[in-house]
Amino acid sequence: AQKVTQAQTEISVVEKEDVTLDCVYETRDTTYYLFWYKQPPSGELVFLIRRNSFDEQNEISGRYSWNFQKSTSSFNFTITASQVVDSAVYFCALSGLSSNTGKLIFGQGTTLQVKP
Amino acid sequence: GAGVSQTPSNKVTEKGKYVELRCDPISGHTALYWYRQSLGQGPEFLIYFQGTGAADDSGLPNDRFFAVRPEGSVSTLKIQRTERGDSAVYLCASSQGGRSQETQYFGPGTRLLVL
Repeated sequence: AQKVTQAQTEISVVEKEDVTLDCVYETRDTTYYLFWYKQPPSGELVFLIRRNSFDEQNEISGRYSWNFQKSTSSFNFTITASQVVDSAVYFCALSGLSSNTGKLIFGQGTTLQVKP
Repeated sequence: GAGVSQTPSNKVTEKGKYVELRCDPISGHTALYWYRQSLGQGPEFLIYFQGTGAADDSGLPNDRFFAVRPEGSVSTLKIQRTERGDSAVYLCASSQGGRSQETQYFGPGTRLLVL
């Protein structure tokens, strides 16, 4: 079975603080793909990043960075110097090669509120 | 280019009625997915189309739910005899070819409310 757990339901920070959103996954596949999506109040899911299971290099994109650790089955997302516009629900998702369809298994989401 | 579009954006219906939700994927994308998102939850997979055929419908909750994609582009999700528990946001996504490594691009969703 495949599962994604985002243990943090809600996080509230003050602007300019750094914040890390946790994601832990379970899968029996040796080849799999991990994703992060942002869902602002408008409701549309916006793609942020995709990683494959063979690439454990951390990635940085502007204020965003991702830490993928296979040893702990985690794919955590850090926002540096948070801004009010970062306020949204963030979802971590998994797609395993064995499904053969690309369907995504989502976590429950973490609501991030950045206060001015 | 245009993204995934969904219509209507909101739908209010009465218990027992029939509804149709439409999804227009990104042009050229052969894979199309439907997900359902209940309040405070992550999206849950419903059905996957590769071209015109439903390659995986394992997520459909029961036989009141049905989806078609007759020409391999636009898809319609159909719900018969709606129940209050069907109230949710229905999301559509498309990807290039339906492989696990491909990014799925989502539409804005249809918010369904069953009274």
